Amino acid sequence: AQSVTQPDIHITVSEGASLELRCNYSYGATPYLFWYVQSPGQGLQLLLKYFSGDTLVQGIKGFEAEFKRSQSSFNLRKPSVHWSDAAEYFCAVAGRTGTASKLTFGTGTRLQVTL
Amino acid sequence: NAGVTQTPKFQVLKTGQSMTLQCAQDMNHNSMYWYRQDPGMGLRLIYYSASEGTTDKGEVPNGYNVSRLNKREFSLRLESAAPSQTSVYFCAGSRRGGGETQYFGPGTRLLVL
Repeated sequence: AQSVTQPDIHITVSEGASLELRCNYSYGATPYLFWYVQSPGQGLQLLLKYFSGDTLVQGIKGFEAEFKRSQSSFNLRKPSVHWSDAAEYFCAVAGRTGTASKLTFGTGTRLQVTL
Repeated sequence: NAGVTQTPKFQVLKTGQSMTLQCAQDMNHNSMYWYRQDPGMGLRLIYYSASEGTTDKGEVPNGYNVSRLNKREFSLRLESAAPSQTSVYFCAGSRRGGGETQYFGPGTRLLVL
């Protein structure tokens, strides 16, 4: 069965500082990988996704993530955080079989940005 | 386009009452999904519909039923609500499977007393 671990429940960074959110997955082969962001009281918005090819993926709002097969990781990064980035971030994995894209989510990392 | 819409936004039920959560999409999605979100547990898949006319259980289906009414609509029913079903429920859709991006609705917050 597939699973996702986000080891950091809560992270606080200063505005302008760099950010890295960790994500480790468990899956028998190369999965599809996603990062979603959720602002308070809102639904989830896709930041970026990895399907195949280049292991460094660029997303919206200046985010990027790197797929490392050897470490089963898909960490999210941003070089300079803005106060509006404060939100909850979810890493998710989907298998490459089947007719539906069943996502398994991590438990999320809440990002706080101090001014 | 409205995207993925959910009704109601908020609902309070008493234990044992029933209700149906509605989800509709105008994005021509073939696949639709219902998740629940609980503090510290992320989102968990309840049921999904890979295509019109099919439904399958996800990770946490007990206490729920679903109906894929047509390509646009996918409803979630609680026949006899329990306090353990207090949660935020999200509907999502994707064009097809194989890792296609899922687009989420704004959520329904349900409180069961």
